[in-house]
Amino acid sequence: DAKTTQPNSMESNEEEPVHLPCNHSTISGTDYIHWYRQLPSQGPEYVIHGLTSNVNNRMASLAIAEDRKSSTLILHRATLRDAAVYYCILRDGYSGAGSYQLTFGKGTKLSVIP
Amino acid sequence: NAGVTQTPKFRVLKTGQSMTLLCAQDMNHEYMYWYRQDPGMGLRLIHYSVGEGTTAKGEVPDGYNVSRLKKQNFLLGLESAAPSQTSVYFCASLNRALYNEQFFGPGTRLTVL
Repeated sequence: DAKTTQPNSMESNEEEPVHLPCNHSTISGTDYIHWYRQLPSQGPEYVIHGLTSNVNNRMASLAIAEDRKSSTLILHRATLRDAAVYYCILRDGYSGAGSYQLTFGKGTKLSVIP
Repeated sequence: NAGVTQTPKFRVLKTGQSMTLLCAQDMNHEYMYWYRQDPGMGLRLIHYSVGEGTTAKGEVPDGYNVSRLKKQNFLLGLESAAPSQTSVYFCASLNRALYNEQFFGPGTRLTVL
């Protein structure tokens, strides 16, 4: 499986933008980039995903490098509720077809300072 | 719409005891998954199911069994619990037509003494 590299932890001030980086230099052409987050004592929740183009939704934006070897999750205005572990995950669009498995790393622990 | 629910929320077992964790979803999802999460680690896939009556092994299946007799339920069994199975267990489900999002339950915290 293609692997991702994320910083162990990051800090942000409340109401400021946050850029969470993810490196995936061995990404293949069929790998989707997914982001999930896990709030304290809860199950993970989906944030956003993309393949090649930048993506926006109500929670965040995903910026994907042109060579797809890295991506950045952007939270436009951090709130205290955004304090969580953020996981960057590659999912092969073809292999494991029918299982849509996710492989979680350790993620980035985001702390939001009031 | 409750989403994904897990029963029980907490459990303490003695080594060698058995138990079953129940996962239920009311979204009519075809796919269901069981993960475990050890302290400071990401989630690891134990078993999964792509439909009623079918199951398959994930990354760490040893010591666990699963069953999917009904589409809405996915059971995880520990026949003879070991301290190494102390973990938080998460269930998830996925709609095959909207395959980009897994929905997770709140987790079951299991301690094996």
